[in-house]
Amino acid sequence: AQTVTQSQPEMSVQEAETVTLSCTYDTSENNYYLFWYKQPPSRQMILVIRQEAYKQQNATENRFSVNFQKAAKSFSLKISDSQLGDTAMYFCAFMKHEYDSGNTPLVFGKGTRLSVIA
Amino acid sequence: DVKVTQSSRYLVKRTGEKVFLECVQDMDHENMFWYRQDPGLGLRLIYFSYDVKMKEKGDIPEGYSVSREKKERFSLILESASTNQTSMYLCASSYGLAGRGNTGELFFGEGSRLTVL
Repeated sequence: AQTVTQSQPEMSVQEAETVTLSCTYDTSENNYYLFWYKQPPSRQMILVIRQEAYKQQNATENRFSVNFQKAAKSFSLKISDSQLGDTAMYFCAFMKHEYDSGNTPLVFGKGTRLSVIA
Repeated sequence: DVKVTQSSRYLVKRTGEKVFLECVQDMDHENMFWYRQDPGLGLRLIYFSYDVKMKEKGDIPEGYSVSREKKERFSLILESASTNQTSMYLCASSYGLAGRGNTGELFFGEGSRLTVL
């Protein structure tokens, strides 16, 4: 079974600074996806960024980027130029990719609560 | 935009009551999921469904059942609510087969916060 570990329960960052959230995972699979989801206070969870394991290039989405180290099974999220609206719970997630079905559920980490301070 | 709607944002029930949590999605997604979210435990999968009338147990199915009679609707049922089922319940949906654009992205509802007294 796959497991996802987020070792930082809480973090804080000053507005406009850069912060990195850590995530490691354990799997014997070779084809999979990794995700970072964001859950703002009292609002619904949304996808921040997604990485396919077969791609060596790290995914980026505006101020959000990942550092994907497949051999080390590490998938950290970097937020540049932090904004107050980035305050949220961040969840790292893993999904095994099955070409013939695509029906495997995501496995989530326990989350990191990020506070952006003005 | 994809919309996943959970019928109740907040519920308060008594121990032993039967509880229904409803979830409807409007994107013709094959897959639907129920997660439970607790502080310090993250999201844990209760049940999921990849087709109408199909269901699969997740990691913590005990004390829960589900129903999927129509593609757009996935219901979570607590047959006899207990205090340890006080939690936030999140419904999510996604495309099924890879060929239908399944990027793995889940679309979540706003959550149903259940308190069992």
